[in-house]
Amino acid sequence: QKEVEQNSGPLSVPEGAIASLNCTYSDRVSQSFFWYRQYSGKSPELIMSIYSNGDKEDGRFTAQLNKASQYVSLLIRDSQPSDSATYLCAVRWATGGFKTIFGAGTRLFVKA
Amino acid sequence: DTGVSQDPRHKITKRGQNVTFRCDPISEHNRLYWYRQTLGQGPEFLTYFQNEAQLEKSRLLSDRFSAERPKGSFSTLEIQRTEQGDSAMYLCASSPRTDAPDTQYFGPGTRLTVL
Repeated sequence: QKEVEQNSGPLSVPEGAIASLNCTYSDRVSQSFFWYRQYSGKSPELIMSIYSNGDKEDGRFTAQLNKASQYVSLLIRDSQPSDSATYLCAVRWATGGFKTIFGAGTRLFVKA
Repeated sequence: DTGVSQDPRHKITKRGQNVTFRCDPISEHNRLYWYRQTLGQGPEFLTYFQNEAQLEKSRLLSDRFSAERPKGSFSTLEIQRTEQGDSAMYLCASSPRTDAPDTQYFGPGTRLTVL
């Protein structure tokens, strides 16, 4: 079983819609959760981090964490064509030292 | 540009040759990470430095791979006797030492092609 799993997609949404990206992780003492965006041919860039159960909002982005169900999600409101990219979920465990484990990513296409 | 820089951006080599990549982190960042990414996959952790100390190394990293950060500033990643399976994007990231779980800033990567 992979430690961090994401649906590879592609996920296609129309412009202006809400895009919902999901990530599940294995049952370990989890600490920190991150969402990165990666455009084709570019390096990852951090969108949001979340550490506690519940929702965290930043502009059009909302991260949701549910440790009991072992999932973390990212909602993108008012999706724009410029949001088309691969979204990577990453997890760091409290007992995992400094290693950050990334999922394989979900490709998102926002249609104009 | 005050971001993470990596050199070279592209490297083509023949199987069996040695290659070395360099990473210059953001100046005030004392944490430095190396990752490898192949097409359709997320970055795979290779190793971590805090200042000049290499504190963690992936068990997936064979003994052909070695990394250094001699003065706690730039870092090098060397691959000896390259194999075709080493072809990938090699990413470097840095982060500042703070109490909060760190935000990693990635460099542009070095794309390695082993022929």
